[in-house]
Amino acid sequence: GAVVSQHPSWVICKSGTSVKIECRSLDFQATTMFWYRQFPKQSLMLMATSNEGSKATYEQGVEKDKFLINHASLTLSTLTVTSAHPEDSSFYICSAIRQINTGELFFGEGSRLTVL
Amino acid sequence: GEDVEQSLFLSVREGDSSVINCTYTDSSSTYLYWYKQEPGAGLQLLTYIFSNMDMKQDQRLTVLLNKKDKHLSLRIADTQTGDSAIYFCAEESNYQLIWGAGTKLIIKP
Repeated sequence: GAVVSQHPSWVICKSGTSVKIECRSLDFQATTMFWYRQFPKQSLMLMATSNEGSKATYEQGVEKDKFLINHASLTLSTLTVTSAHPEDSSFYICSAIRQINTGELFFGEGSRLTVL
Repeated sequence: GEDVEQSLFLSVREGDSSVINCTYTDSSSTYLYWYKQEPGAGLQLLTYIFSNMDMKQDQRLTVLLNKKDKHLSLRIADTQTGDSAIYFCAEESNYQLIWGAGTKLIIKP
């Protein structure tokens, strides 16, 4: 079964609204989680690294004020897309490290965002 | 930087074996993964292999790892129409995954 779960799996919103996507590690504590975005016909793009209790580290070109990441607990990280626009429509995926010394990484099922 | 390469398409007949290949560059990778993405669906972890292994079998799936050549393959035995999907290979590097662009598996009747 899934060890990393995302919610919601699909969300449709109006342009200008904000959307929050949750990523939970179900049976382990994840000090580090990652957020990715998948563009059509392309592979995943790493957006940011989320560390529990500290600010996220964003990849170059990713607007941190647009994509707010909060990692408030060892099992939950959230991605908020603020003032969403149609070009933000995409597939957002999170991952979490299960074992820090071996780098075992598990991915959520993904959340599809459609902005009208 | 690190790179993972795969062919974009693979076409096989139903019932035949499919072999999807992948090459990677980071020799310090600990884990290598195969993910499946069906149309309109999320990523599904198919299998992964630890770098000190050279083979892993799980039902119809066989993963082969040639660490010397940095080559990873996924073999699907008795390919079915339900196997139609995009298959992503990924290597772990510094707690992040470096992804290939994905191989679209097309099943011919």
